[in-house]
Amino acid sequence: DGGITQSPKYLFRKEGQNVTLSCEQNLNHDAMYWYRQDPGQGLRLIYYSQIVNDFQKGDIAEGYSVSREKKESFPLTVTSAQKNPTAFYLCASSTFKGQSYEQYFGPGTRLTVT
Amino acid sequence: AQKVTQAQTEISVVEKEDVTLDCVYETRDTTYYLFWYKQPPSGELVFLIRRNSFDEQNEISGRYSWNFQKSTSSFNFTITASQVVDSAVYFCALSEAETSYDKVIFGPGTSLSVIP
Repeated sequence: DGGITQSPKYLFRKEGQNVTLSCEQNLNHDAMYWYRQDPGQGLRLIYYSQIVNDFQKGDIAEGYSVSREKKESFPLTVTSAQKNPTAFYLCASSTFKGQSYEQYFGPGTRLTVT
Repeated sequence: AQKVTQAQTEISVVEKEDVTLDCVYETRDTTYYLFWYKQPPSGELVFLIRRNSFDEQNEISGRYSWNFQKSTSSFNFTITASQVVDSAVYFCALSEAETSYDKVIFGPGTSLSVIP
């Protein structure tokens, strides 16, 4: 089955620690994205990557880092510099369908930092 | 600037009632795309529909229907004869057509509760 995998579903960390969230896709999509979701605020774009070894900052990139060494993988590191890291993180990938790109989402990782 | 507004934060309906979720968008582009996504309690976003700015035909898919009106910059979503399984957060979203990737602007979402 093709899809996007994010692991783990729940992640707990102590303040001051870096943590890496995994995102893997087997859809052969070129573009991948990381979003952050907070209650009542919808989704906000953290980083995106259009192609391997290239990525761009989204609207709220501060305190986060990414890599894109393989087409299938786009891990997100939440660093200790991120002031409010507790949130729900969604990974997505996209393909061109018809006249626009269509995004597919993973199941998300809920990160709690105490 | 692009913006998506979903004025209804939370809606509760009794099963079998019809419910309309409102979406108002802002964009300076003449070509753009509108989307609706459903987020059930499990968290994963499920794609429901994509509509381009040149196609103002309303669409119906089973119990779901969408009303796109460029004159009012609205793309409303109606669920007919709601069911408990429709309980979820629904997001309206907007993207421009000319970017080489799909930068999608999401609205804040409307949480729908269908009560049995």
